[in-house]
Amino acid sequence: NAGVTQTPKFQVLKTGQSMTLQCAQDMNHEYMSWYRQDPGMGLRLIHYSVGAGITDQGEVPNGYNVSRSTTEDFPLRLLSAAPSQTSVYFCASRSRYQGEKLFFGSGTQLSVL
Amino acid sequence: AQTVTQSQPEMSVQEAETVTLSCTYDTSESNYYLFWYKQPPSRQMILVIRQEAYKQQNATENRFSVNFQKAAKSFSLKISDSQLGDTAMYFCAFMKHSGTASKLTFGTGTRLQVTL
Repeated sequence: NAGVTQTPKFQVLKTGQSMTLQCAQDMNHEYMSWYRQDPGMGLRLIHYSVGAGITDQGEVPNGYNVSRSTTEDFPLRLLSAAPSQTSVYFCASRSRYQGEKLFFGSGTQLSVL
Repeated sequence: AQTVTQSQPEMSVQEAETVTLSCTYDTSESNYYLFWYKQPPSRQMILVIRQEAYKQQNATENRFSVNFQKAAKSFSLKISDSQLGDTAMYFCAFMKHSGTASKLTFGTGTRLQVTL
């Protein structure tokens, strides 16, 4: 059982480049979300989804896009990377019907130069 | 909006001793969950313990226990018999009970160092 899988684990981008952070879960969870972790600021919610075809903004959505075409996948797109997006990104999932525990991926360390 | 405050950026404890990490929160909700997550150097987010606000009994998980004071909006984590493997960043987090998807609000974390 793989749980929540994030790729890549590390990425370096130049300012203005675009890229997609991948997130997949094999637990048939309805809820998925993206967080970013910055030093001294804890984790902050970027976007979340309550099911395929449904997404919504979190606390810090600017500069990011998401889509949820399947239950399993929830990619995060950086449209035009900026140094302020240098961070560690976590994807998480949760079952709507089986408790409140959040399952986290192992994170992606992103550096924007 | 909810806020979570962890006022201790760093703490140190000797092996086998007991340490308490503080967390306070602010919310107008009456029903919610509180969590403590551990993040070791591997970066993985590990759920340590959770508490449902409508339960008066404090949650315990082996060497980990909480002191939940709902009226004071306080949720501290006690680690007994500290071990070197407890060295990590610890985050307190809040989640509303229903209609919340995966919307956790985190504190800024406490870095715990366990020493010999």
